[in-house]
Amino acid sequence: KQEVTQIPAALSVPEGENLVLNCSFTDSAIYNLQWFRQDPGKGLTSLLLIQSSQREQTSGRLNASLDKSSGRSTLYIAASQPGDSATYLCAVRKVWGSTLGRLYFGRGTQLTVWP
Amino acid sequence: EAGVTQFPSHSVIEKGQTVTLRCDPISGHDNLYWYRRVMGKEIKFLLHFVKESKQDESGMPNNRFLAERTGGTYSTLKVQPAELEDSGVYFCASSPRDSPNEKLFFGSGTQLSVL
Repeated sequence: KQEVTQIPAALSVPEGENLVLNCSFTDSAIYNLQWFRQDPGKGLTSLLLIQSSQREQTSGRLNASLDKSSGRSTLYIAASQPGDSATYLCAVRKVWGSTLGRLYFGRGTQLTVWP
Repeated sequence: EAGVTQFPSHSVIEKGQTVTLRCDPISGHDNLYWYRRVMGKEIKFLLHFVKESKQDESGMPNNRFLAERTGGTYSTLKVQPAELEDSGVYFCASSPRDSPNEKLFFGSGTQLSVL
């Protein structure tokens, strides 16, 4: 059974700080790992997708790393801004299963960046 | 291009009543997924349609939940009769293919409150 854990559950920081959000998963047999962002009342927006063969992916101020063997991923946010305030979700895709689009989610990290 | 659309955005019903949620996927997306997040828990997979066929319904909690996708276009998720523990946010997602590298596009969700 795949379990995904995200730490911390909530984070409140002043603008400008560099942040690290953590995600761990119990079954290392994954295809890929995704980081999503969810704004209140909105759907999930995919931020970064890391294939199991990759170590990291970067998009703008975001950098996600993956250590498949240890079952860990981190999302690094550089120079945080109030607009980064949202819930960040980590999700993995297992190698085996009848539905390849089935994602296993963590509970998320609720981020607040204040001016 | 329109995204994944869900109706209603919010629904408040009493225990024992019936509620039907609707999802309109992105046009041309054969794969449609339902996910659910109950209070304090992670987002969990419910089921997967390929066109009008149920590919995987292993995540459906019990037989009070019925999902349909007649004609392979929009989908409905009916809860009958609703129980208190059914409260949560129901998300729909779609993708062109059921591939591990395919991104899922999520709707904004339906917030269901059962009183």
